[in-house]
Formats: sequence, structure tokens, C-alpha cells
Amino acid sequence: DAKTTQPPSMDCAEGRAANLPCNHSTISGNEYVYWYRQIHSQGPQYIIHGLKNNETNEMASLIITEDRKSSTLILPHATLRDTAVYYCIVRVPDSSNTGKLIFGQGTTLQVKP
Amino acid sequence: DARVTQTPRHKVTEMGQEVTMRCQPILGHNTVFWYRQTMMQGLELLAYFRNRAPLDDSGMPKDRFSAEMPDATLATLKIQPSEPRDSAVYFCASGLVLSFPGSEAFFGQGTRLTVV
Repeated sequence: DAKTTQPPSMDCAEGRAANLPCNHSTISGNEYVYWYRQIHSQGPQYIIHGLKNNETNEMASLIITEDRKSSTLILPHATLRDTAVYYCIVRVPDSSNTGKLIFGQGTTLQVKP
Repeated sequence: DARVTQTPRHKVTEMGQEVTMRCQPILGHNTVFWYRQTMMQGLELLAYFRNRAPLDDSGMPKDRFSAEMPDATLATLKIQPSEPRDSAVYFCASGLVLSFPGSEAFFGQGTRLTVV
């Protein structure tokens, strides 16, 4: 399975963009990059996912490098409610083509006033 | 508002007792995942199902843990006998997978298990 590497923690000022990096240098061509976050005491929440192209939704943008070895999650205007642990995951197809989500240690993002 | 429902939310039990945790996936979802979260190990995948069939339970201690889907609206995770090291938050997630990668997985609020 492709592994991901994330910084353990980051700070961001409220109202500024939060850029969370992720390395996945062993990713294969058919494997997707997913981002989830977990706010204290809650279940993980889906944010966004992508294969090759950059993606944007109402929560965030995902920038994947051309070689697909790394990606960046961008929260354009971070608020205090965005303080959470952010997980970058590579979803790998299994024999049933379902694909499991293997969580690493994630990045703890602290948004400060 | 569709959501994954887990019961009970909290459970305190004595060592050696059987524990059953339940999960109601979102209606129409065909894939269910069970995770365990501890401070030391983080989020660990225990088992997952698609169309009620178990696909992978290699993350589960086989001698005491079992996971089943009696029907499409219920997934269960049992621990028998429970041990203090099983104390953790157990999460269930569901998704719709018709072809890879399928929809995102939606997580429940978890069951916080304490074994004393």
C-alpha cells in the first residue's frame, strides 16, 4: 500500500489560507488521494479526493503534483472551527475493487485567532 | 439527514464480559468499515464488508473479536471476552461502492468502550 507522510502539526492564523502538505511518493497510477479530518471527539469527516487533476469543493481545494508524488490540501479561509487532525490517505483498490482507507497519524492543524 | 448511527455511544464493562457494538449504515450504502481508535495506535482498520460479505478482517484479533452483517441495515462488532486493552473508541463507516473508488465513507460518532 502507498504510504503517506505528513507533518505532525501546523499553525494557521484565522482568516488565512491553510496549506497542508502530504507526500505519497510510492503512489500507483490507479490510486486515489483522499483527505479526511477529525474534530475532537467526532468521527472522521470526508473533505475531498482526487486522482490526477486538481479538485475543489465547498470545503477545500486539492492540488496534486504532476508526478502525483505529493499533494496539498488548501483551506482558503481557515476558521477556528477548522482546528482538527487532517489525514491524507491513499485509497488502494483491493481484490474486490472496494478499496480500504488506511489512516496515518495526520497533521494537527491549530487555527489561531 | 442521512447518517451512520452507532449504539451504544458509551459502554463501561468489566473484564471478561461480552460487548456488542452496533452500526446502522446509511440506507443504500453497500460497504461498511469498522475502525478502532486509541491514543497510541491512532485509527486502525479492523474489518470491512461489501454487500454484507466480509472482505478483510486481518486487522482484528481473531480470538476475541468478530464482525458480522446480519442484514443490510445492521453491522455488529463483538468482543468476547473483553480485556482492558480493548478500551478505545470504535467507529463504523459506510459508503456506496459500485466501482472503485466509490463514494466517500461516512463515519458514525463512535462507541467509546471502557473495560475495567
